[in-house]
Parts: sequence; C-alpha cells; structure tokens
Amino acid sequence: DVKVTQSSRYLVKRTGEKVFLECVQDMDHENMFWYRQDPGLGLRLIYFSYDVKMKEKGDIPEGYSVSREKKERFSLILESASTNQTSMYLCASMGSRPGEQYFGPGTRLTVT
Amino acid sequence: TQLLEQSPQFLSIQEGENLTVYCNSSSVFSSLQWYRQEPGEGPVLLVTVVTGGEVKKLKRLTFQFGDARKDSSLHITAAQTGDTGLYLCAGHNQGGKLIFGQGTELSVKP
Repeated sequence: DVKVTQSSRYLVKRTGEKVFLECVQDMDHENMFWYRQDPGLGLRLIYFSYDVKMKEKGDIPEGYSVSREKKERFSLILESASTNQTSMYLCASMGSRPGEQYFGPGTRLTVT
Repeated sequence: TQLLEQSPQFLSIQEGENLTVYCNSSSVFSSLQWYRQEPGEGPVLLVTVVTGGEVKKLKRLTFQFGDARKDSSLHITAAQTGDTGLYLCAGHNQGGKLIFGQGTELSVKP
C-alpha cells in the first residue's frame, strides 16, 4: 500500500511566521503535489513536482514555495503566513497511472 | 479553464435508499477518478475510468464514464451509514493535471 505521511495533523501559527509543511511518500513515486482544501472551493493545486529539484506552479502559488531535494520528500513553505492561508493542506503522490493520486491525511493549519 | 461540476453538493438520505452523484464538464478527459474523503482525512481513490461508456462496479457502488469522456456518475445502491463522506470526482487532462470537482457531501442516516 502507498503511504503518504505529513509532518503535522494540526498546526497553529502566528501571522508573519515562516511555516514548513513536510510530506513523505514511500512508493518511489516521481510525481508529488500540494493542494489546499477550503469549504465550497474544493481542492486547489498550489505546486507540483515531476522530479527531484523540479517544481511547477499550480493554480494558486502566490505566498507559497516548495522544495524537493529528495524523491520521497516534498515540502511546502509559507514564507510569511497570513490569515487567509488558514486551510487544510493535502499532499499527494502519483506513480505511473495518470490521475491516480495517493493523499496524506492532511494538515489543518490555522494562522492567527 | 477546465471545470468539473458536481451535483448535488449536499445529499442527506436514509439508510437503504439509492442515490446518484453526477460529475459534468464541457472538456474531454483522458481518465476520470472518484475519491472518497472522511472528515479530517485525505481523499482515498475509489476507481479510475478510462474508456468512454465504461462501467465499473465496486460492491454497491457503480461508476460510469460518459461516451464522450466528458461526464461521469456514481450510483450507490442501498446506502449504508458507512458510506457517509465527501465524494470527489477528478478528471485527468492531457496536460497531466488533475481537475477536481467541488465534491458531494453525503450523509446517510440510520
């Protein structure tokens, strides 16, 4: 079974803090994704990566950056957290079968 | 911009009833996935449909891909309380991205 783990289930940060969200997958998948999920807006793609050290902007990259130094690890960075970044953050990985993504349990981030 | 419209957004039914959730787009997708998400967890993949007109069954769940590969439906027979959750359809486009619908929140009451 594919396992995708995220570093925290719940996180509370203050406005202006730098926030790191870590994601690790154990299936040697090349593709990894970061989404945020908000009520009424569904899942929105922030960034994705098709290979180590490679990153592509998704639909809402503003205020975020990512790092993929190793194949199994994809990190999402909020350089200066703001209250409108309060959300559920979901990491996913995908192997050779297009569209079949495996999600982590999510991190519920609250920025106060 | 490719969009996937899911309907209904909310569905509250009694145990034992049947239901259908729809996922529609004006765009063609190379494949379409259905996911189920429980509160506080990430989505879990249920099925992938690839061929136009394809029908797949997963116990009491029946998934259909439209002939033109622009729409899909999920039918649940004799719903159980354990079916409660958020159902998401997602279309995989030629550019390699996954486009998600907004989800259908299903509540099955005993």
